[in-house]
Amino acid sequence: QKEVEQNSGPLSVPEGAIASLNCTYSDRGSQSFFWYRQYSGKSPELIMSIYSNGDKEDGRFTAQLNKASQYVSLLIRDSQPSDSATYLCAVLTGFQKLVFGTGTRLLVSP
Amino acid sequence: ETGVTQTPRHLVMGMTNKKSLKCEQHLGHNAMYWYKQSAKKPLELMFVYNFKEQTENNSVPSRFSPECPNSSHLFLHLHTLQPEDSALYLCASSPGGRVVSEAFFGQGTRLTVV
Repeated sequence: QKEVEQNSGPLSVPEGAIASLNCTYSDRGSQSFFWYRQYSGKSPELIMSIYSNGDKEDGRFTAQLNKASQYVSLLIRDSQPSDSATYLCAVLTGFQKLVFGTGTRLLVSP
Repeated sequence: ETGVTQTPRHLVMGMTNKKSLKCEQHLGHNAMYWYKQSAKKPLELMFVYNFKEQTENNSVPSRFSPECPNSSHLFLHLHTLQPEDSALYLCASSPGGRVVSEAFFGQGTRLTVV
């Protein structure tokens, strides 16, 4: 079982829609969870962090965490073509390692 | 200058060459990391330095040799690499200490081994 799993996509949504990105993880001791955005040919950029169960909102982005289900998600409201990128889920495991998923490619069409 | 800076941005080397990648951070962080990103694979953690001490070596072949002379600088020395080592090498930094928090990345070095 992979430590962090994401659907590689692509996830295609029309402009203005809500994009929902999902991630599951295997280590129940994981404490911290992050979403990074990576444009093609660029390095990952941190967009959200979440540490406790529930929702955390920042502008058009909402991160959701459910530790019982070992599930973390990212919602992007009012999606824009500029949101088209690969979104990486990262989990700080109980062994103090920051582990990444393979990323989900998001395509927002005008 | 702020953030995490990596040089060179692109590197082509032969299998018998020796080269080094450099990373410098201006964020006042105490932890630095090397990650490898190959096509269609997750970011692979290679090395972690916390307060200049190596705390993680993720089963990386000895042809990759890290060096961390101080909290702001991190090097990755390369020798006798293989074509499958071609990838994007990313340096990252975080506040450090016992808890690893979010990491901030440099722009990466695109390495091609011929």
